Amino acid sequence: QQQVKQSPQSLIVQKGGISIINCAYENTAFDYFPWYQQFPGKGPALLIAIRPDVSEKKEGRFTISFNKSAKQFSLHIMDSQPGDSATYFCAAHTSGNTPLVFGKGTRLSVIA
Amino acid sequence: DAGITQSPRHKVTETGTPVTLRCHQTENHRYMYWYRQDPGHGLRLIHYSYGVKDTDKGEVSDGYSVSRSKTEDFLLTLESATSSQTSVYFCAMSGDRDTAGTFGSGTRLTVV
Repeated sequence: QQQVKQSPQSLIVQKGGISIINCAYENTAFDYFPWYQQFPGKGPALLIAIRPDVSEKKEGRFTISFNKSAKQFSLHIMDSQPGDSATYFCAAHTSGNTPLVFGKGTRLSVIA
Repeated sequence: DAGITQSPRHKVTETGTPVTLRCHQTENHRYMYWYRQDPGHGLRLIHYSYGVKDTDKGEVSDGYSVSRSKTEDFLLTLESATSSQTSVYFCAMSGDRDTAGTFGSGTRLTVV
């Protein structure tokens, strides 16, 4: 049973365009939603995260949009650059000792 | 530099042999995790630890065991390696005030 569903699996975006990756969850106890960026040969690294008390969080070109009623959250990358080409994972967490639950990842390619 | 290191970085082993992967952290974090990453499956949790000698199973724990005798070290053992355990293994750590955590650089394990 996949607790966090991520789409699309892969995404190709033109340089300067907007990249959008979506995630959906079922467990309403989730209270923390991070996004990770992973480059080839490296471990995932925290990119940006949000808690459900806000609907949007922006850090530079990266924005998380959160829709609590729809149980969905998404990552938007504005002005996408070739250096943004990586695999992106969404995740969700409940408070306490429980580990993060990850989506299956999206491979983003930004082409010039 | 990130406070968490994995060893070895690469390993080739034969079917049926025991293999131990090591994760070492210098941040005194309470929680440590082992994931495997495979194409199409994203990151899947194998085992995790919430303190010295306190461990629990993840979603893909069969064929794996772990030990944590010190806060800084978390060992993953494949008792009898199989070809299906060929994968990239990531260790991660998190603290009570660091929910997102930090990942190591991974160990690429090939079972032939």
